[in-house]
Amino acid sequence: DGGITQSPKYLFRKEGQNVTLSCEQNLNHDAMYWYRQDPGQGLRLIYYSQIVNDFQKGDIAEGYSVSREKKESFPLTVTSAQKNPTAFYLCASSIMPGQPGNTIYFGEGSWLTVV
Amino acid sequence: GQNIDQPTEMTATEGAIVQINCTYQTSGFNGLFWYQQHAGEAPTFLSYNVLDGLEEKGRFSSFLSRSKGYSYLLLKELQMKDSASYLCVASGGSYIPTFGRGTSLIVHP
Repeated sequence: DGGITQSPKYLFRKEGQNVTLSCEQNLNHDAMYWYRQDPGQGLRLIYYSQIVNDFQKGDIAEGYSVSREKKESFPLTVTSAQKNPTAFYLCASSIMPGQPGNTIYFGEGSWLTVV
Repeated sequence: GQNIDQPTEMTATEGAIVQINCTYQTSGFNGLFWYQQHAGEAPTFLSYNVLDGLEEKGRFSSFLSRSKGYSYLLLKELQMKDSASYLCVASGGSYIPTFGRGTSLIVHP
């Protein structure tokens, strides 16, 4: 079945460590996105990529980094510069940016906790 | 800039009808989406409107008025499983969707 796979589902990070969240999609979607959600809050855009080898900062990119070496993959690294990383992270993808009805589909999410 | 406004919380009775309103401001407009999100889970797509009017899909309907920057999601024959957060999402000129904080709907017996 086609879909978006995020791993790990749960991750604990020690202060000062970098961690990487994996996101893989087999939907042949061009665009991929990373969102962060804090309890009781909406989704905030961290980074997005509309094409391989290109990505753009979202609203809260500080302390995060991404890469898009393959169409299927868009990993997110939470660096030690991110001072408050505990949150629910959602990866998403959509068919073609710039097209009307560009519906976003989500992976199951990853919970990151700083210990 | 983009701005989405929707009520924080609503309650309704099982079997009833509830309307969740959303107003938006975007730089350009390329559609209005509604998503459902259960606690601890990813959002799932419910509906998309780009033209004015009502789109019906089973128990759920979504309405759009572009001139008023207004949309609503209508849920009929409410079930307990409809208790969730409902996210209004506007797609602006960049086609990058902006998510509202969501409306937490509580359905009680």
